[in-house]
Amino acid sequence: SQKIEQNSEALNIQEGKTATLTCNYTNYSPAYLQWYRQDPGRGPVFLLLIRENEKEKRKERLKVTFDTTLKQSLFHITASQPADSATYLCASTGYSSASKIIFGSGTRLSIRP
Amino acid sequence: KAGVTQTPRYLIKTRGQQVTLSCSPISGHRSVSWYQQTPGQGLQFLFEYFSETQRNKGNFPGRFSGRQFSNSRSEMNVSTLELGDSALYLCASSPDGREGQPQHFGDGTRLSIL
Repeated sequence: SQKIEQNSEALNIQEGKTATLTCNYTNYSPAYLQWYRQDPGRGPVFLLLIRENEKEKRKERLKVTFDTTLKQSLFHITASQPADSATYLCASTGYSSASKIIFGSGTRLSIRP
Repeated sequence: KAGVTQTPRYLIKTRGQQVTLSCSPISGHRSVSWYQQTPGQGLQFLFEYFSETQRNKGNFPGRFSGRQFSNSRSEMNVSTLELGDSALYLCASSPDGREGQPQHFGDGTRLSIL
């Protein structure tokens, strides 16, 4: 079955460093990968989208990559700040279903001052 | 522009009861999707509505149903509630649900089953 996995349940890093989160997918080829941020008690908020024919996308301190050979997406936050602490979710949509999105289980990122 | 609004924010029910949750999408958005989020299973897709029709459905039992009205507002109903239905139920909207469109989420309804 289609599966998307975020390997790290939690990640703790020092302020100012680059946080790198990983998302792997198996048994399908998503056309798009999306990344969301979720704060406690709130709904997810969309951050970035990358298409399968794009290698990299950037937005301010955020960067996402899509490697169809490794079946993997990496999400980077550079110059991390304590305010970046949250759970980050990756999500995919494939060709088989136009609007059915599969979410990863999330990585809880903590940035310590 | 107002965001996605979900009501109520919190709900407590007992086993066997039924519940209806409400979602008002962003103005102009015609696609509304529902998700269940639990610590064990994460965020799982329930179903998507577009133009008052269910267009996609996830792997949930028939006790979970929904509908969409002509103004794009949507409701989700769960009948014969079970303890395992305790979860955060999230609604998300997008302009027309085309593949790859970002989902705009509400802050959810926290449902607790006693």
